[in-house]
Amino acid sequence: ETGVTQTPRHLVMGMTNKKSLKCEQHLGHNAMYWYKQSAKKPLELMFVYSLEERVENNSVPSRFSPECPNSSHLFLHLHTLQPEDSALYLCASSQGPGYEQYFGPGTRLTVT
Amino acid sequence: GENVEQHPSTLSVQEGDSAVIKCTYSDSASNYFPWYKQELGKRPQLIIDIRSNVGEKKDQRIAVTLNKTAKHFSLHITETQPEDSAVYFCAASSYGGSQGNLIFGKGTKLSVKP
Repeated sequence: ETGVTQTPRHLVMGMTNKKSLKCEQHLGHNAMYWYKQSAKKPLELMFVYSLEERVENNSVPSRFSPECPNSSHLFLHLHTLQPEDSALYLCASSQGPGYEQYFGPGTRLTVT
Repeated sequence: GENVEQHPSTLSVQEGDSAVIKCTYSDSASNYFPWYKQELGKRPQLIIDIRSNVGEKKDQRIAVTLNKTAKHFSLHITETQPEDSAVYFCAASSYGGSQGNLIFGKGTKLSVKP
């Protein structure tokens, strides 16, 4: 499946590191999303971009910084994370808000 | 904003039996209701969805029903098979406009015992 890809698939980082997650969609969609998936909150919406503009930020801490340079690419920049930020980070894309979302395989993040 | 409740959180059935997962939503403006299946270690994938202009939709062994008056919708899986074992998520949104983001339920872990 190559519709939505994410890199890296696994990431281990210390609390003082800076890293970035990348998402790319090849479906011609206009909206892209970042979700955090953990045992406590299975699918927690973090950020929404529609036509490259951020339309929603669900009170996410500033140590997570999204970037959407064009409609096909989405980044999540990480810095000074906490151990509780360890989770699976899923990217998704859709035609727009309220339409089927296609998920990427996720990045399994571990903060040590 | 929208709030989606999903029950049960875990469900165990014998192979061949039926499974039913129920969700309720709070925003009467919601008009799109998808169901996603997530197998262990894999990404969530859409298995069926329903829009508010219909009350029921079927696709082989899977069906979804919607009651807009009561604001609840359900997933029905008949003749369950071991490969149906997964976590199932319901979601609700209103399509069109910036308010149409999917709000997911907390998931149901379905185990089908052979």
